[in-house]
Amino acid sequence: GNSVTQMEGPVTLSEEAFLTINCTYTATGYPSLFWYVQYPGEGLQLLLKATKADDKGSNKGFEATYRKETTSFHLEKGSVQVSDSAVYFCALSDPNDYKLSFGAGTTVTVRA
Amino acid sequence: GAGVSQSPSNKVTEKGKDVELRCDPISGHTALYWYRQSLGQGLEFLIYFQGNSAPDKSGLPSDRFSAERTGGSVSTLTIQRTQQEDSAVYLCASSSGQASGELFFGEGSRLTVL
Repeated sequence: GNSVTQMEGPVTLSEEAFLTINCTYTATGYPSLFWYVQYPGEGLQLLLKATKADDKGSNKGFEATYRKETTSFHLEKGSVQVSDSAVYFCALSDPNDYKLSFGAGTTVTVRA
Repeated sequence: GAGVSQSPSNKVTEKGKDVELRCDPISGHTALYWYRQSLGQGLEFLIYFQGNSAPDKSGLPSDRFSAERTGGSVSTLTIQRTQQEDSAVYLCASSSGQASGELFFGEGSRLTVL
């Protein structure tokens, strides 16, 4: 079946530091890949997505590239801000199945 | 409203009681999902509704859990004879129903079973 593994947190960074959150997946077909973010007190919201190999999703300074050869979709941001403190979830959807499979989530705290 | 609305936001109940959690999806969204988020764990899929099709109930953890969606809109998740392990945040999401489409989540209903 489909599954997502992402690096465990929590992650604590200083402002302007570089952030990477690793995500790898197992899928039977060619899934679409997503990063969702949950800010404190809010619901999950889509951060970015990529639907095929070598696609790069980007939003709010975050980027992730769909790497089929390494089955990965690592999230990166070059210079984090305090407002980036949140829980980040990697997810995939099989093209034949509308369910999303989520990773366990990574809590990121950015200190001023 | 503009987003997915869930109620109650918090529910504390005693072991053995039944609870109902409500989800009001975004107007016009044909797909509706329930997920469960337990402390330190990822989101666990529970059930999926798409239009008038039979729901995908493959994620429901036991027969104490059930859900319905009336008129293709509001959904209710019911947990009978609650157990302490049912304590979690129950998340509802809706989408346009297209493959690779974005899911829009509500803020969740936090259930605590004493």
